[in-house]
Amino acid sequence: GDSVTQMEGPVTLSEEAFLTINCTYTATGYPSLFWYVQYPGEGLQLLLKATKADDKGSNKGFEATYRKETTSFHLEKGSVQVSDSAVYFCALSTQTGANNLFFGTGTRLTVIP
Amino acid sequence: EPEVTQTPSHQVTQMGQEVILRCVPISNHLYFYWYRQILGQKVEFLVSFYNNEISEKSEIFDDQFSVERPDGSNFTLKIRSTKLEDSAMYFCASNQREGKQYFGPGTRLTVT
Repeated sequence: GDSVTQMEGPVTLSEEAFLTINCTYTATGYPSLFWYVQYPGEGLQLLLKATKADDKGSNKGFEATYRKETTSFHLEKGSVQVSDSAVYFCALSTQTGANNLFFGTGTRLTVIP
Repeated sequence: EPEVTQTPSHQVTQMGQEVILRCVPISNHLYFYWYRQILGQKVEFLVSFYNNEISEKSEIFDDQFSVERPDGSNFTLKIRSTKLEDSAMYFCASNQREGKQYFGPGTRLTVT
């Protein structure tokens, strides 16, 4: 079945460090891939998405590239800030937008000054 | 930006009791969802709802669960007889036909 495997956390980084959170997926067909972020006390917010192979999603300095050959969608940011501290969830949908999402376990990121 | 709201933020109940979790989706959205996350585990899809009926549900969504849109604004999840293993964070989400899902902040359900 469709599933997402996400890098185990928690991750602690110093401000301005480089971030990578790994995500791989298993899916039939051609899924859309997402990264959601949850800040303390808030709901999950869409951070970025990619709907087909080789697409790069980007937002707020974060990037992820849809790699069909490695079934991956790793999240990266070149220089993290304290305000990036949150839980990050990788997810897939087998239909664009409207269908239910399959999530990873989430990775808690803490950025220290 | 419009947002999905959920009440209560935390619900404590005894095993065997019924609970109703409430959500107010974004007003012009058509699809509604419930997800849950047991502590330390994945966020899991429970059910999707469209046009006043369930469009899809997971294996988790058994006869103990039901959803309802009793009026034009609320979307509720009812658990008839709670079990210890129902303790989790429950997220409501909504979207339009082709759009990102907007999530609420979640309701933490604790069954004792």
